[in-house]
Amino acid sequence: GNSVTQMEGPVTLSEEAFLTINCTYTATGYPSLFWYVQYPGEGLQLLLKATKADDKGSNKGFEATYRKETTSFHLEKGSVQVSDSAVYFCALSRGKLIFGQGTELSVKP
Amino acid sequence: DAGVIQSPRHEVTEMGQEVTLRCKPISGHDYLFWYRQTMMRGLELLIYFNNNVPIDDSGMPEDRFSAKMPNASFSTLKIQPSEPRDSAVYFCASSDVRTGRDYEQYFGPGTRLTVT
Repeated sequence: GNSVTQMEGPVTLSEEAFLTINCTYTATGYPSLFWYVQYPGEGLQLLLKATKADDKGSNKGFEATYRKETTSFHLEKGSVQVSDSAVYFCALSRGKLIFGQGTELSVKP
Repeated sequence: DAGVIQSPRHEVTEMGQEVTLRCKPISGHDYLFWYRQTMMRGLELLIYFNNNVPIDDSGMPEDRFSAKMPNASFSTLKIQPSEPRDSAVYFCASSDVRTGRDYEQYFGPGTRLTVT
């Protein structure tokens, strides 16, 4: 079946540290892949997307590359800020969005 | 556009009572989704509609849950009778497949339900 697996959180980093949140997927065919972010007390919002293999999605300093050979879509940011503290969800599209379990990120000043 | 609107934002009720959650999707969107989020189970898709018609309700936990979409601008999720294990944040989301961006779901702020 279709599924998404994310690294477990919480992830705690100091400001300006490098961030990686791992995401791997299982799916038939070639789904589109996404990262959504949920800030405290809010609903989810789309952060970035990639619709085919080798595509790189980017937004707000975050990047993720669609790797078909490793079925991965890892989220990275070179220098995190306190304002990046949130829960990050990896997802794939197969008629509907299938979300991973979410990874909580906490950035300390 | 005001975005997806949900009401109420918070609901506290006693076990056995009926609870109705409401959602107004973004105007022009043709898909509407109801999700439930808990610490234990994460984000779960309960049901989704296309052009007001339920397409997949396989995530609805049991018969106590029902959802309707009487028109393109309004949907309800009803729990009757409510139980403490229904306590969660319920999100509504909408999307517009006609733009080819059906994957981009716009979420409402959620309704935090507490059943005592």
